[in-house]
Amino acid sequence: EVQLVESGGGLVQPGGSLRLSCAASGFTFSSYWMHWVRQVPGKGLVWVSRINSDGSTTTYADSVKGRFTISRDNAKDTLYLQMNSLRAEDTAVYSCARASYYDSGGYQYYFDSWGQGTLVTVSS
Amino acid sequence: QSVLTQPPSVSGAPGQRVTISCTGSNSNIGAGYDVHWYQHLPGTAPQLLIYGNINRPSGVPDRFSGSKSGTSASLAITGLQAEDEADYYCQSYDSKLSWMFGGGTKVTVL
Repeated sequence: EVQLVESGGGLVQPGGSLRLSCAASGFTFSSYWMHWVRQVPGKGLVWVSRINSDGSTTTYADSVKGRFTISRDNAKDTLYLQMNSLRAEDTAVYSCARASYYDSGGYQYYFDSWGQGTLVTVSS
Repeated sequence: QSVLTQPPSVSGAPGQRVTISCTGSNSNIGAGYDVHWYQHLPGTAPQLLIYGNINRPSGVPDRFSGSKSGTSASLAITGLQAEDEADYYCQSYDSKLSWMFGGGTKVTVL
């Protein structure tokens, strides 16, 4: 059974830093692209970042570019999100998601497994 | 405001059919990027409902179906059941903005 378990959330002051982790099990972690998605309580899902299977390429939403860093340790089956210069608007539940793909006029990615998320609260 | 537009809410009585639209543009759905749908109950992990516009993963009831045309897509739920009450999100890819979700639609079973 595929399992994704996030940890590392908590209360942090504006300008502070936090590192989230996502422990994966039940599948060959090193074969999949992984993503972070966040949800402000009461609002919708927002894509944050992605990393390819070997960690060599990354992409970020404009709202976090330059402040957040996605990484992975395939030996530990773990995905990370380093969040720096945190702002109040970064307050959200952060979830990791596994991406599967198929080739249909180019690779098409979708999220076939998700974690339940970890809450990050940025407040003084 | 999401680049993929969904109605904030839809409702229906048990047994009825409801549809949720997802409207994009020529830089995402209209550019040939497929649409995927997720069901989300607050406090739980989102679940994949439809991938590649029309495909259901194993275990998803055939009451759920998807379609795509032009710059829009739709999710239909037939034979609405109380357990279908949840938030539903469409997702696609945008050539300028990367991966993206619709704003979400709350389905209420009357």
